[in-house]
Amino acid sequence: DQQVKQNSPSLSVQEGRISILNCDYTNSMFDYFLWYKKYPAEGPTFLISISSIKDKNEDGRFTVFLNKSAKHLSLHIVPSQPGDSAVYFCAATMNSGYSTLTFGKGTMLLVSP
Amino acid sequence: DVKVTQSSRYLVKRTGEKVFLECVQDMDHENMFWYRQDPGLGLRLIYFSYDVKMKEKGDIPEGYSVSREKKERFSLILESASTNQTSMYLCASSAPGQGNSPLHFGNGTRLTVT
Repeated sequence: DQQVKQNSPSLSVQEGRISILNCDYTNSMFDYFLWYKKYPAEGPTFLISISSIKDKNEDGRFTVFLNKSAKHLSLHIVPSQPGDSAVYFCAATMNSGYSTLTFGKGTMLLVSP
Repeated sequence: DVKVTQSSRYLVKRTGEKVFLECVQDMDHENMFWYRQDPGLGLRLIYFSYDVKMKEKGDIPEGYSVSREKKERFSLILESASTNQTSMYLCASSAPGQGNSPLHFGNGTRLTVT
């Protein structure tokens, strides 16, 4: 049973426009959410996170929005740049004890010039 | 910066061989993890460890074992490699404490089993 879902395997956006990557979760016990970015032949790198006590967290061009009632989060990248082209993984965890991360399947973002 | 180093970028092994994947981190992290990444399946947790000599099964431990004799080193062992274990293997570490501590990943080992 997939607890973290990224329903769009890929997304294409033009440079300068907004990229919106979506993620849904089913486990109501999750209370901390993270986004990772992965380039080919490299390991994933941490991008941004949000606690369930917030509904928005911003870091430069990256903003994550959390809608707890809908069990939905999204990552906004504005403006998108060609260097943002990568696979983006959504992950969720319970912020207590020794909880591990549960990852989605990833969304490949392609930003074209 | 945290550095997680995986000893091999590419490995080719034969079916039935015993395979060792090594991972070392330099930030004195208590927590270490092994994931595999497959197209369309995302990242799946194989095993993890929160302390030396401690190990816990993840979501897909079958066919794998691990060893953590020293804090900085976490080894993944394929007892008898099979073709369905052809994959990208990613090691990660994180600081101790709660689940919100971001993982730091190595660059991965692409294993092909023929």
